[in-house]
Amino acid sequence: DVKVTQSSRYLVKRTGEKVFLECVQDMDHENMFWYRQDPGLGLRLIYFSYDVKMKEKGDIPEGYSVSREKKERFSLILESASTNQTSMYLCASSWDRATGANVLTFGAGSRLTVL
Amino acid sequence: GQQLNQSPQSMFIQEGEDVSMNCTSSSIFNTWLWYKQDPGEGPVLLIALYKAGELTSNGRLTAQFGITRKDSFLNISASIPSDVGIYFCAGHLMEYGNKLVFGAGTILRVKS
Repeated sequence: DVKVTQSSRYLVKRTGEKVFLECVQDMDHENMFWYRQDPGLGLRLIYFSYDVKMKEKGDIPEGYSVSREKKERFSLILESASTNQTSMYLCASSWDRATGANVLTFGAGSRLTVL
Repeated sequence: GQQLNQSPQSMFIQEGEDVSMNCTSSSIFNTWLWYKQDPGEGPVLLIALYKAGELTSNGRLTAQFGITRKDSFLNISASIPSDVGIYFCAGHLMEYGNKLVFGAGTILRVKS
């Protein structure tokens, strides 16, 4: 019944390392999103994508990049991890073209610690 | 960016009590969504509201889309221990693309 899968639930990385967070959805959704969640700040949008090979910056894109080579997969990349990127990362997808439903479905989250 | 003010920030209530939380904004929204996040999991949709004035229930949960389109509330009746978690409101502004704007969340703790 899992619809949005984030392959890594917990990661510990060192400062300067390159980090890949993978997300796959099986609902044939058009849109995919990466959020960052920090206590007291709610969910902040990093990047999103409306289509394959398409990406747009969210509210806090600095220090991140993304890749969407296939419709079902949206990857978040930290080119050089820093301690202030320690956070919970949430992937989500939306827009069922068949039904018109445009509600976000989230993955379980990836908790990243950068030492 | 757009802001949603969600209150209260946290609640610590007795089992069986009713709970109320709300979100307000200076901007007009076309949809309001309420999500719940259990510890260690991603947020799950509770209720979606699409029309001003709409009142929708989901079991013990009731949510309303404010008439001004700038606010929404969520009520939980007769709270139980499994209601603990973080509740987020989210608003969808058409002018903001397909992105949702999220409130900072309300942490609910229930005393059994």
